[in-house]
Amino acid sequence: DAKTTQPNSMESNEEEPVHLPCNHSTISGTDYIHWYRQLPSQGPEYVIHGLTSNVNNRMASLAIAEDRKSSTLILHRATLRDAAVYYCILRVSGAGSYQLTFGKGTKLSVIP
Amino acid sequence: KAGVTQTPRYLIKTRGQQVTLSCSPISGHRSVSWYQQTPGQGLQFLFEYFSETQRNKGNFPGRFSGRQFSNSRSEMNVSTLELGDSALYLCASSLPRLDNTGELFFGEGSRLTVL
Repeated sequence: DAKTTQPNSMESNEEEPVHLPCNHSTISGTDYIHWYRQLPSQGPEYVIHGLTSNVNNRMASLAIAEDRKSSTLILHRATLRDAAVYYCILRVSGAGSYQLTFGKGTKLSVIP
Repeated sequence: KAGVTQTPRYLIKTRGQQVTLSCSPISGHRSVSWYQQTPGQGLQFLFEYFSETQRNKGNFPGRFSGRQFSNSRSEMNVSTLELGDSALYLCASSLPRLDNTGELFFGEGSRLTVL
């Protein structure tokens, strides 16, 4: 299974941008990059996903390197509610089943 | 629209017992997957079901099993419980897409404690 590598933890000041990196050097050409986050005492929550091009949605932006071996989740203005564990996941595309490898994720702390 | 519902939310069992956990997916979602979350191992994939068929299974012993019913509700069972099975068990549902980009919707989990 393709693996991802993320820093264990990061800190950000409130209302500042946050860049969460993820390395996935063994990514295959058809693997999608997904990001989820898990707030305390809750199940994971979908954030964003992409394949090759940078993606934006109401929650965040996803910047994907040209060689696709790394990506960065960008929270434009961190709020206290963004304090969570962020998981970068590779999802194999194609019909049929899937298996997700979550890894340990990055614990983001937001300082007021 | 109701979210993914998992029951029970909390339970305590003793070693050697068995446990059954239930997951009701979002209406219309036919794919259900299960995960085990522990402080040491993080989130690990258990298995995924679609249309009552197990399509994929993670690296867990045969004591861990599951099934899906015709209404897409799913159950997972752990037999002969061990202390190491203490964990948060999460269920997720999604609309199946050919390119597997379907967003997963997770429940709040069932926290199992084995004494």
